[in-house]
Amino acid sequence: DQQVKQNSPSLSVQEGRISILNCDYTNSMFDYFLWYKKYPAEGPTFLISISSIKDKNEDGRFTVFLNKSAKHLSLHIVPSQPGDSAVYFCAASFYGNNRLAFGKGNQVVVIP
Amino acid sequence: DVKVTQSSRYLVKRTGEKVFLECVQDMDHENMFWYRQDPGLGLRLIYFSYDVKMKEKGDIPEGYSVSREKKERFSLILESASTNQTSMYLCASTLSGQGDSGYTFGSGTRLTVV
Repeated sequence: DQQVKQNSPSLSVQEGRISILNCDYTNSMFDYFLWYKKYPAEGPTFLISISSIKDKNEDGRFTVFLNKSAKHLSLHIVPSQPGDSAVYFCAASFYGNNRLAFGKGNQVVVIP
Repeated sequence: DVKVTQSSRYLVKRTGEKVFLECVQDMDHENMFWYRQDPGLGLRLIYFSYDVKMKEKGDIPEGYSVSREKKERFSLILESASTNQTSMYLCASTLSGQGDSGYTFGSGTRLTVV
């Protein structure tokens, strides 16, 4: 059973606008949540993370919001740039456990 | 710059062949992982290892085995390649820690079994 779910597999957005990616999880015991970005023919790269004790973490154009009561997190990219066109994976882990549970990914296309 | 290196970017193998995918990391990471990525299915864990000679099955280990004889090297073995093993294979590593350590991934190996 998939513990991390990403619906709406693809998203198209105009350059300069906001991209919002959503992720839901089923296990309330997760301690950390991470986002990865993947270009075709390359490995995923770590983008941003958030601890379960926080509700927001910001890094430049990227902000992750966590709503624990709803078991939901989102990634906001503002402003979106053509180089942001990629697949984004949401992932979650437990304290002391190095195994990540990944979602299926969201394709983002930023239109110049 | 720290790296996870996968030996081949593209491979074409015949059905029934024994296939070795090699992964080397230079970060002294304890944990190493093998995933495959398929459209609509995301990243699925095949096997992982948290120490030399240690291995654990992931979510889809059938048809695969692994070897970790040295800390820096983690090999994925397809015992008898089949067409449904055509996929992008990704190796990753991470330090042992609290669970918030991001993975470092290799660039991937695109395997086609014909």
